[in-house]
Amino acid sequence: DIQLTQSPPSLSASVGDRVTITCQASQDILKYLNWYQQKPGKAPNLLIYDASNLETGVPSKFSGSGSGTDFTLTISNLQPEDIATYFCQQYDNIPWTFGQGTNLEIK
Amino acid sequence: QVQLVQSGAEVKQPGASVKVSCKASGYTLSSYYLHWVRQAPGHALEWMGIINPRGGTTTYAQKFQGRVIMTRDTSTSTVYMELNSLRSEDTAIYYCVRDGRRKGDYWGQGTLVSVSP
Repeated sequence: DIQLTQSPPSLSASVGDRVTITCQASQDILKYLNWYQQKPGKAPNLLIYDASNLETGVPSKFSGSGSGTDFTLTISNLQPEDIATYFCQQYDNIPWTFGQGTNLEIK
Repeated sequence: QVQLVQSGAEVKQPGASVKVSCKASGYTLSSYYLHWVRQAPGHALEWMGIINPRGGTTTYAQKFQGRVIMTRDTSTSTVYMELNSLRSEDTAIYYCVRDGRRKGDYWGQGTLVSVSP
């Protein structure tokens, strides 16, 4: 199975900051990586697909980049409503696998 | 609008079975594969398997082989996930997820399954 190493596990930033979360795959997955946001008590919500494409309805403050084994999720102009856990997920192969998640907090 | 509505929380004893349903609306069930993913407390999301609602074919994660069964009822646009021989480590929230062409574009609200003596 493809392993995804996500970092950092937790992140504390101030309102208005720009933050970056990284996800490294154990083998080349081309562009086949998604990013999700999960708020407490809710199901995950798709933010970015194919590494860099913004899902319909998702604010443009979220952006993704990368290919191969190294990927990043960037959140601009951090706001209190962005408090959540963020996961990466690969779909190059079955089984889908997920990163361990990044807990984002506001300072 | 697309919705996946799952059945309610379950409390089971070790060794029992649980069957979780996922009713799809707002689209044709047979047009998209459906995955099941679970999230145990303090753990990452874990993929369990996939079902093609068109023909009912399934692929399961090796970890759950022999213990999980995914089925569908196209007449009611419902997919089911049955997990047998439950143990405490199976305590988790179980999600059905629509495969919107290699992305999990719609998720059910989740079903909490608690396994306790």
